[in-house]
Order: sequence, then structure tokens, then C-alpha cells
Amino acid sequence: GENVEQHPSTLSVQEGDSAVIKCTYSDSASNYFPWYKQELGKRPQLIIDIRSNVGEKKDQRIAVTLNKTAKHFSLHITETQPEDSAVYFCAASISGTYKYIFGTGTRLKVLA
Amino acid sequence: DSGVTQTPKHLITATGQRVTLRCSPRSGDLSVYWYQQSLDQGLQFLIQYYNGEERAKGNILERFSAQQFPDLHSELNLSSLELGDSALYFCASSVAGGSNQPQHFGDGTRLSIL
Repeated sequence: GENVEQHPSTLSVQEGDSAVIKCTYSDSASNYFPWYKQELGKRPQLIIDIRSNVGEKKDQRIAVTLNKTAKHFSLHITETQPEDSAVYFCAASISGTYKYIFGTGTRLKVLA
Repeated sequence: DSGVTQTPKHLITATGQRVTLRCSPRSGDLSVYWYQQSLDQGLQFLIQYYNGEERAKGNILERFSAQQFPDLHSELNLSSLELGDSALYFCASSVAGGSNQPQHFGDGTRLSIL
């Protein structure tokens, strides 16, 4: 079946450094890739998304890149701050269905 | 505030019981999704409704059922509850029912089975 692999499962960075989280998907027809941030005990929040007709998208300190040939996409957070500490989930749409599949999550810790 | 409303926020009950979780989507959204998140786990897709009709099914147990009403709110019914059903249950909504639509999550219902 379709799946999304997400790495790393945990990531610790010093405040001010960059963080990169990578996801690989299996469905070559996937065309929508959202990223969610979930703080402890709270709801997942959509932070950025990208569609397959775009290679990169930026929103302030957050960017997402997509490589359709390799079937992977990445979240880049620059100038990390303690409030960036959370679990981040990637997701990919599943062609021919009405849903998307989530990655297993990355716990990001930003050390002050 | 995502605009998706879930009630109740917390629910404590015993094994063998039945509960109903409620979700009101964002204004204008026609599609509702239900997810289960066990402690420190990922988001497991349960079921999706679009404008009152079931659209997609995930790993939903036979003891669980859902529906979406004409006013577009949705209910998730969990019966014959087991200890392993303890989890956070999230509802999300989107404008349309396609897989290329952003989903916006509610704050969840925390279900604890004693």
C-alpha cells in the first residue's frame, strides 16, 4: 500500500540553527503535500503546503522543497526558536482517493 | 482557533461502554475527517464524510461508526470500548472532499477508558 516515510524521528538543534525534516512518498501520482506542527497536547496545525506543480515554497522562516523525480519533500526551518519545538508531520495525497497519508512524525527540540 | 469545534474536550468512561464524539466543521467546509492519535503516536485516519456521504474509510474498527448530518456536523460513535481505545480523537474539515485540500483540525476529544 501507499506510505510516507519521515526522518529523523527526533531532532535536536541549537537555537538559531536550521532544521531539516525529510519525507519520502511511494505514490508517484501524489500531488499535494502538507506539513503540520503539533505542540504537546494540542491540535495539528497546518504550517505550509506544496503542490506538485511547484518545486519550492517559502513562508518567512519555513520552506518546503519537493523533488518529484526522487519522490521526496523536505521541511526547512531557519533561525530556529524555542517555540519551534513540537512534533512535525508530513503528509502526501493518495491518488484516486479522497485522503492523504501522514508520516510518523519528527519531534523537534530547539535548545536555548 | 481553526474554526472546527469538537465536544466534549475530555471523556472518561469504562470498558464496555459507548460514547459519541461530536464535530462541527468550519463554516463553508463540506468535508469532515476523523483521526485517532494514541499516546506519542501518529495520526491514524478513520473515516471521511463529504456533504453527508461517506467518502473514504481507513483503519476504522467495526465497533466504531460515524455519520454526517444535513447541517454538516459529524458524530463518531465508539461502542464496546476497550482500554486500547484510549486516545485523542481529532476531527478535521476541508472545503471540498479531495485529497489535495488542506485539512483544518479541531482541538480534539481526549478519551480515557478506565
